[in-house]
Amino acid sequence: DVKVTQSSRYLVKRTGEKVFLECVQDMDHENMFWYRQDPGLGLRLIYFSYDVKMKEKGDIPEGYSVSREKKERFSLILESASTNQTSMYLCASHASGGAGAGGELFFGEGSRLTVL
Amino acid sequence: AQSVTQPDIHITVSEGASLELRCNYSYGATPYLFWYVQSPGQGLQLLLKYFSGDTLVQGIKGFEAEFKRSQSSFNLRKPSVHWSDAAEYFCAVLFMEYGNKLVFGAGTILRVKS
Repeated sequence: DVKVTQSSRYLVKRTGEKVFLECVQDMDHENMFWYRQDPGLGLRLIYFSYDVKMKEKGDIPEGYSVSREKKERFSLILESASTNQTSMYLCASHASGGAGAGGELFFGEGSRLTVL
Repeated sequence: AQSVTQPDIHITVSEGASLELRCNYSYGATPYLFWYVQSPGQGLQLLLKYFSGDTLVQGIKGFEAEFKRSQSSFNLRKPSVHWSDAAEYFCAVLFMEYGNKLVFGAGTILRVKS
């Protein structure tokens, strides 16, 4: 069964702490994404990566960074957590390819981060 | 810039009535298009997707969507809504010329009244 695994379901951190959110996929997908989901705002793209060591800013990258050292792992880093980063974080992956290649996005279960 | 717009934040329909949820995107080429549904406290479930070919696509749970290139739209429809369809619906667009950037709309919350 294909899987995207996020290491932590629930985290509570203090303002100023460094936070790592890990995401691992077992489908050999090229593309991986980090979103945050907030009520009324939908899913907003933070960063995405289409290959190892490649990263692209999404729509709301401020306050975040990412790391993709291996194809299966995509990490989201909050260098200094702030209360406005309290949110649900979703990791996703999908395969590359031309038309008809599939393209379905597979999501992890989410990591709910609370910053106090 | 690439963008996805779901103009309706909330929609309320009666059980058994028809449903149409709107989605518009801003992009020069034909993107890949998706609709997802999320029930309260649950993860995202793919309803349907469009890549090419027939512009009317069928999905799960009796949903369908129609791609209209001239209107840059991909509206989701269901002929008869069931109470269990109450959820939040997200349109998503894959912009392939931007490194496979997948962007979601803000979502539409569907309420079903009996």
